[in-house]
Order: sequence, then C-alpha cells, then structure tokens
Amino acid sequence: SQTIHQWPATLVQPVGSPLSLECTVEGTSNPNLYWYRQAAGRGLQLLFYSVGIGQISSEVPQNLSASRPQDRQFILSSKKLLLSDSGFYLCACPIAQRGGRTGELFFGEGSRLTVL
Amino acid sequence: EDKVVQSPLSLVVHEGDTVTLNCSYEVTNFRSLLWYKQEKKAPTFLFMLTSSGIEKKSGRLSSILDKKELFSILNITATQTGDSAVYLCGIIQGAQKLVFGQGTRLTINP
Repeated sequence: SQTIHQWPATLVQPVGSPLSLECTVEGTSNPNLYWYRQAAGRGLQLLFYSVGIGQISSEVPQNLSASRPQDRQFILSSKKLLLSDSGFYLCACPIAQRGGRTGELFFGEGSRLTVL
Repeated sequence: EDKVVQSPLSLVVHEGDTVTLNCSYEVTNFRSLLWYKQEKKAPTFLFMLTSSGIEKKSGRLSSILDKKELFSILNITATQTGDSAVYLCGIIQGAQKLVFGQGTRLTINP
C-alpha cells in the first residue's frame, strides 16, 4: 500500500541554523512529489514540486530549496532558517491507483518546524 | 495571478446545523477542483470535481462545481462535532500543480 514517511515529525531550531526535512514514498514509482507549508492551521502553500529525479519546480522565492536525489525521496532544505520559516510542512504525492501522476493527493503526516 | 479564495475563513455553528463552504478561483489551465478535510495532520480527500453541475455526495457531505462562475460549494447537513476541521479547496492546474486556498476552519459546538 502507498505510504509517505516524513521526518522528523517535530523540530525546534534557532534562527540561522540549517534545515533538512525528508520525505520518502513507498508503494508507487516515479510519482510527482510536492512540498507544502501550512502556517497556523490555515491553507496549504505550494513550495516545490518535482516530476522526476533532479527536476524541481519552485513556486515561492524564499530561502528554502528542494532536491530529489532518488525517485521516491524528496528533501526540503535551508542553509539559514528565518523566523518566518516556522510552520507545518507536508509532503504529498498522487494516489497510485490514479496512475501516480497529478490528481487526488495523498499526504504524509507532516513535520512541524518551530524557529526560535 | 492565480487565486483560490475560500470563504468564510472561520465558521462556528451548533450541532445539527447545515453549513455551506465556498471556494472561488481564478487560475490558468484549470483541470479539476478538490476538497479536503484536515483534522490534525494529514489532509484527507473528500471530493474531486471536474464537470459543472454534477453534484458529488458522500453521506452528509455534498459538493458541486460551477465552471462558468468559477466557484464550488461544499455542503454539510446535520453537522456533528466530528465535522470540526479545516476544509481545504485545491485546484489542479495543468499536468502537475495542485494549489490550495487558505482553508475554512469549521467548529461545531455541541
């Protein structure tokens, strides 16, 4: 069955420190992958999406970056965190039964980042 | 600029009431509109709407899309406390992108 693993689940980091959030997908191959950020229980802001290894599309200019070193691995990074980077980060991919491309998304359990 | 706007942003009602949540959009290359429910962590899928005027139903929840007026509504009848959540509207654009509105926080009081 399709699963998304995100870690760490919770992270508290000082301003200016680096960040690495990881997302690994199982039960599907060559999926589109997405990183969203949610602030204070509000809507989801699309940060990055990837249609394949090494292919990253950035939606919002910011101090975050993403990489896709393997087919089912998607990493969100920062060299120096800002206070405004605090939020709930969700990784997602399309439902495998729908062909694994764009459509109904399946979400991971998220990583909650607090920058102090 | 592409926009997905949900209203109201927050809604508090009593158990048993009927609620209507709104989602309007202005996006290029529209393909489909999706509704999600988020209680704690991962949003869960409710509906996907692609054609105008066809109502999707699941129990007490229903939704419909108007592609001429560029909006969708999500109705919940006979609300229960378990319906309390953030409801998210998202638009699939083109082949890859799914963008969301700000969400509506619904609180059902007993």
